[in-house]
Amino acid sequence: AQSVTQPDIHITVSEGASLELRCNYSYGATPYLFWYVQSPGQGLQLLLKYFSGDTLVQGIKGFEAEFKRSQSSFNLRKPSVHWSDAAEYFCAVGAEYGGSQGNLIFGKGTKLSVKP
Amino acid sequence: DSGVTQTPKHLITATGQRVTLRCSPRSGDLSVYWYQQSLDQGLQFLIQYYNGEERAKGNILERFSAQQFPDLHSELNLSSLELGDSALYFCASSVTMNTEAFFGQGTRLTVV
Repeated sequence: AQSVTQPDIHITVSEGASLELRCNYSYGATPYLFWYVQSPGQGLQLLLKYFSGDTLVQGIKGFEAEFKRSQSSFNLRKPSVHWSDAAEYFCAVGAEYGGSQGNLIFGKGTKLSVKP
Repeated sequence: DSGVTQTPKHLITATGQRVTLRCSPRSGDLSVYWYQQSLDQGLQFLIQYYNGEERAKGNILERFSAQQFPDLHSELNLSSLELGDSALYFCASSVTMNTEAFFGQGTRLTVV
């Protein structure tokens, strides 16, 4: 069965420091992979997605993610974190059945705190 | 603002009751998805509709049902509510099944 694992429940980084959020997936075929962000009291906003092609994907707000098939990973990175990046981040994989971009299996999320 | 509107924003109800959550998708979007976000289960896909027809079902309880109307808005009906149904319910919509889904801000349901 498909699954997504985000090993870090909570991460704290200093403002201006680099960030890497980990995501590992289990999927039978070539996965559709996504990163979403959820700010308190808000819905989910898509940061970036990977379907095929270049394994380094650029997203909004200065985020990027790298797909590594050999490691079944899709880690999210940002070179310099801003205080406004404090939020919860979710990695997701597109479900094999249905084949749509809205039918997703989400990880449990990583809460990011940013200290001044 | 994603353009997906969910009402109400908050709902408090008693066990055993029935509630209806409403979702208005972005203009032009044909596909609607419902998700449940709870502390113990995380974000779980419930059900998907496309142009009025059910297209995929996830971990949706038999006490829950949904539909998409001709004007493309959708409703999620939750009945015989239990304390464990307390959660944030999200609706998302996309133009087609193969395009990006945009999420609403959710309805927070509290069952007391």
